[in-house]
Amino acid sequence: AQSVAQPEDQVNVAEGNPLTVKCTYSVSGNPYLFWYVQYPNRGLQFLLKYITGDNLVKGSYGFEAEFNKSQTSFHLKKPSALVSDSALYFCAVRGLTSGTYKYIFGTGTRLKVLA
Amino acid sequence: EPEVTQTPSHQVTQMGQEVILRCVPISNHLYFYWYRQILGQKVEFLVSFYNNEISEKSEIFDDQFSVERPDGSNFTLKIRSTKLEDSAMYFCASSVGHQETQYFGPGTRLLVL
Repeated sequence: AQSVAQPEDQVNVAEGNPLTVKCTYSVSGNPYLFWYVQYPNRGLQFLLKYITGDNLVKGSYGFEAEFNKSQTSFHLKKPSALVSDSALYFCAVRGLTSGTYKYIFGTGTRLKVLA
Repeated sequence: EPEVTQTPSHQVTQMGQEVILRCVPISNHLYFYWYRQILGQKVEFLVSFYNNEISEKSEIFDDQFSVERPDGSNFTLKIRSTKLEDSAMYFCASSVGHQETQYFGPGTRLLVL
């Protein structure tokens, strides 16, 4: 069965420091991986995805993610965090069941960037 | 930039009442989805819809739930007789094709009293 794990409920980082939000996955076949961000009282905003190609994927707002097949990980990174990056981040894997693609989300990681 | 919209943003209802949550997917998208997020929990898949019929539904999507595309733009989720545990944020999403990125709306926060 496909699954996603986000081992950290919360990550705190000082403004200007690099940030990493962790995600590991379990999927049969080639993984299709996504990161979404949710700001307070807002919907899910697409950040980036990995389908194939370069293991380092660049996305919106300066975020990037590194796909590591051997470690089955897809960690979200940013070289220099901003206070405005504080939000809830969800990792998702696309699963195929009964001929339909659906997203399976992790439990989310709350990122707090401290000024 | 086109986006998925949802109405209402908030809905409060009494247990046992029917609610209809509305979504307008991105105009050239063909695949539509509903997800829900109970407060403090993860986002869960409810149902996918293509070509005017349900493609897949989760175990959450029981007989109390139904979806419809009543016209060329709206995509609705109906809960026939709401329960307290239906209180959640409901997200609509759409994609161009079934393999393409799903784009989510801002959600409708449903509170069942």
